[in-house]
Amino acid sequence: GQQVMQIPQYQHVQEGEDFTTYCNSSTTLSNIQWYKQRPGGHPVFLIQLVKSGEVKKQKRLTFQFGEAKKNSSLHITATQTTDVGTYFCAGRATGTASKLTFGTGTRLQVTL
Amino acid sequence: KAGVTQTPRYLIKTRGQQVTLSCSPISGHRSVSWYQQTPGQGLQFLFEYFSETQRNKGNFPGRFSGRQFSNSRSEMNVSTLELGDSALYLCASSADRTYYEQYFGPGTRLTVT
Repeated sequence: GQQVMQIPQYQHVQEGEDFTTYCNSSTTLSNIQWYKQRPGGHPVFLIQLVKSGEVKKQKRLTFQFGEAKKNSSLHITATQTTDVGTYFCAGRATGTASKLTFGTGTRLQVTL
Repeated sequence: KAGVTQTPRYLIKTRGQQVTLSCSPISGHRSVSWYQQTPGQGLQFLFEYFSETQRNKGNFPGRFSGRQFSNSRSEMNVSTLELGDSALYLCASSADRTYYEQYFGPGTRLTVT
């Protein structure tokens, strides 16, 4: 079945440093979504990418969808302590009956 | 609009018992999905319902079942509980299946002793 892996599993950065998490799917995706889960909370939708090669920005966050629609990345510039949490990508394989598969997640810790 | 609500929020059961969890989606949302989240396994997909029909099912044993009602509310049931079923069970609703974001509820924390 479809697998979605994320690297790294965990990253600890100093506030102000940049952070990137990578998402790789075993199958071609129709779209990719990113979610953030704060400690003790539930996943919250951040963004969706649909087109091959698409890049979207939200303030300090930059999201990319690969040309082959099998990988994606989330880059945070100048991290802040409010960025702490686990970031998940989630994608549906092409085909109307496919389920949304979540990646393994990257936990980000930011310290002063 | 009110968010996704899940009841109960916390539950303690013993091995062998069964449990029913409830999810009320955002008004107007017809798609409801269920996930199991554990520290070691991440977010594992359980089922997806759309307009009362199960559209997808994850790789869980038959002890896990679910349904969706005509008002889009959904329930999931786990029979013959095992210790390994201890997890956070998350429900998410969306307006459509493919191109709409999922809105998650706060989850039900199930502990099996």
